[in-house]
Formats: sequence, structure tokens, C-alpha cells
Amino acid sequence: AQSVTQLDSHVSVSEGTPVLLRCNYSSSYSPSLFWYVQHPNKGLQLLLKYTSAATLVKGINGFEAEFKKSETSFHLTKPSAHMSDAAEYFCVVSHLMYSGGGADGLTFGKGTHLIIQP
Amino acid sequence: DAGITQSPRYKITETGRQVTLMCHQTWSHSYMFWYRQDLGHGLRLIYYSAAADITDKGEVPDGYVVSRSKTENFPLTLESATRSQTSVYFCASSERGLSEQYFGPGTRLTVT
Repeated sequence: AQSVTQLDSHVSVSEGTPVLLRCNYSSSYSPSLFWYVQHPNKGLQLLLKYTSAATLVKGINGFEAEFKKSETSFHLTKPSAHMSDAAEYFCVVSHLMYSGGGADGLTFGKGTHLIIQP
Repeated sequence: DAGITQSPRYKITETGRQVTLMCHQTWSHSYMFWYRQDLGHGLRLIYYSAAADITDKGEVPDGYVVSRSKTENFPLTLESATRSQTSVYFCASSERGLSEQYFGPGTRLTVT
């Protein structure tokens, strides 16, 4: 079975300082991992995706994440926070779905609320 | 416009009433999904569909019904709404063979 743990429900950083959002996962096979972002009253937008091609994944808006199999972690980072980064961030792991074959389901973490201080 | 749309965006209904939330995608994606988002729970899968006329239960299906007669539409029906179904509902789609899902803007449903 797969699961996702986002280690911080809230993270607060000052504008211009680095961002670190932590995520640990468990999976019974080699999963795909994602980070999604949700701005207030908006839908979810894909930030980045890991699918075993490279352990360091670059996403949109300057975010990147590193897959560490030995630590079962997939932490999200950004060198310098911007006010527009304030949002909810979800770490997500894929899992197999057998109905009809050919696609994965997603298991979501509970989210980390990122606050940017001016 | 291309993409995935949901309607209505906001809905208030009374306990016991039937409510249908609509989802439409223009990508011709094979898979479609319904999630609910509640504080402290993240997103939880209600139902999904692999193709027209193929649907299956997710993590929290009780009290919901889905259908998929056309590839592009995936309506979600609450047959007799309860207060516990007050939530934000997201529809998503994905292409066969790929993991990432693309989400609609959500429907905020309040059951009084």
C-alpha cells in the first residue's frame, strides 16, 4: 500500500529566503511522485513530476524536488521565495489501478500551507 | 476553451435533495476522476472512470453515483445530500498510460 506524509502542515518563510517543504512516502513498488500547488480558491496545478528518469526534478516557477530512495523522501525546494508562492502544496504518490488498466491513481498528502512573510 | 471545466462552481442545497455536479474535458482523456477535499484530509478519491461506461469506486464512494455515457463528461450525483457531503469537489482527467492528472477549478458544495 502507498502513503504520503507531509511533515509540516504550515511553513512560514520570509520573501527572498529558501523554501523547503518536506515529504516522505511509502510504496510497494517504484512509484511516480508529484508536487501539486493550489492557490486560494483555485484548482490544483502540477508543479513537477518524478518518474525515475532523474532524481533531481525541475518544475515550474523555480521549484525543484529531489527523489531519495534510501530516505523515501521527495522534498520540494526553491532558492528564493516570492509572495506569489503563498499557497497549499500537496505531495502525491501514484498507485496502480486495475480497472481497465493503463493509468495510475494518486494518493495525496494532507498538504502544507506555505506562508510568505514580506 | 480547451481544458477541464466544472459546473456549478458554487452550490447550496438542503439535506435530502439530489444534486448533480458536472465535469467536462476537451482533451479526450481516457480517465476521469472525482475527488473531495476536506480540511485535514487532503484530496480523497470518490469514483473514477477508465472509459465511457466503465466506472469504479475510489476511497469514499458511499452516497455518490457516477455515470459516463460520453468520454468528455463525468457527472457526479449525490442522490440524497447529507451535511457530511459539504466539501469542495474536484474533477480530474488523465491520459491512458500516464500518471499525472489535470484538475478542474472545483465546485464548492454546501449542504444545509
